[in-house]
Amino acid sequence: DGGITQSPKYLFRKEGQNVTLSCEQNLNHDAMYWYRQDPGQGLRLIYYSQIVNDFQKGDIAEGYSVSREKKESFPLTVTSAQKNPTAFYLCASSAGTGGYNEQFFGPGTRLTVL
Amino acid sequence: AQSVSQHNHHVILSEAASLELGCNYSYGGTVNLFWYVQYPGQHLQLLLKYFSGDPLVKGIKGFEAEFIKSKFSFNLRKPSVQWSDTAEYFCAVRSNYQLIWGAGTKLIIKP
Repeated sequence: DGGITQSPKYLFRKEGQNVTLSCEQNLNHDAMYWYRQDPGQGLRLIYYSQIVNDFQKGDIAEGYSVSREKKESFPLTVTSAQKNPTAFYLCASSAGTGGYNEQFFGPGTRLTVL
Repeated sequence: AQSVSQHNHHVILSEAASLELGCNYSYGGTVNLFWYVQYPGQHLQLLLKYFSGDPLVKGIKGFEAEFIKSKFSFNLRKPSVQWSDTAEYFCAVRSNYQLIWGAGTKLIIKP
């Protein structure tokens, strides 16, 4: 089945530690995205990548980093510089970034900082 | 900055009631508009989208939305809801390469 997988589903981290969230897609999509979702708020874009070896900051990139070494993978690192990292993180992909392209979503990772 | 506003955060309806969820956006240029839905325990998925042409757009599961340019609105409608429509609904507007999202509306259908 084609789709997007995110792991782990739940993640706990101590303050001051970096943590990496995994996102893999087998849809052969060029574009991938990371969003953060907080209660009562819409999704906010952290980073996006239009093509391998390229990525751009979204609205709330501070304290996060990404890489795009392979087309199918777009891992997100939440660094200790992120002041409020506890949230639900969603990964998405689309065939391109143009207006016609639907974004497909993974199941999400819930990160809790202890 | 562009923004998307969904007026109702929680809506409770009985089965067979009619549904309208409001969505207003601030972007004044050419827009691409989307409604996504997240059923309990499932991924976010596309419900319907508008790019151009007929402002009345039909989506999956009997949903439709009307784009009213003069009101900057893209309201979601369904004539008769079912218990299985219980979900969270998100409106989104494309701005350059990004989607700008509303805060979502949690819809609960009472059987």
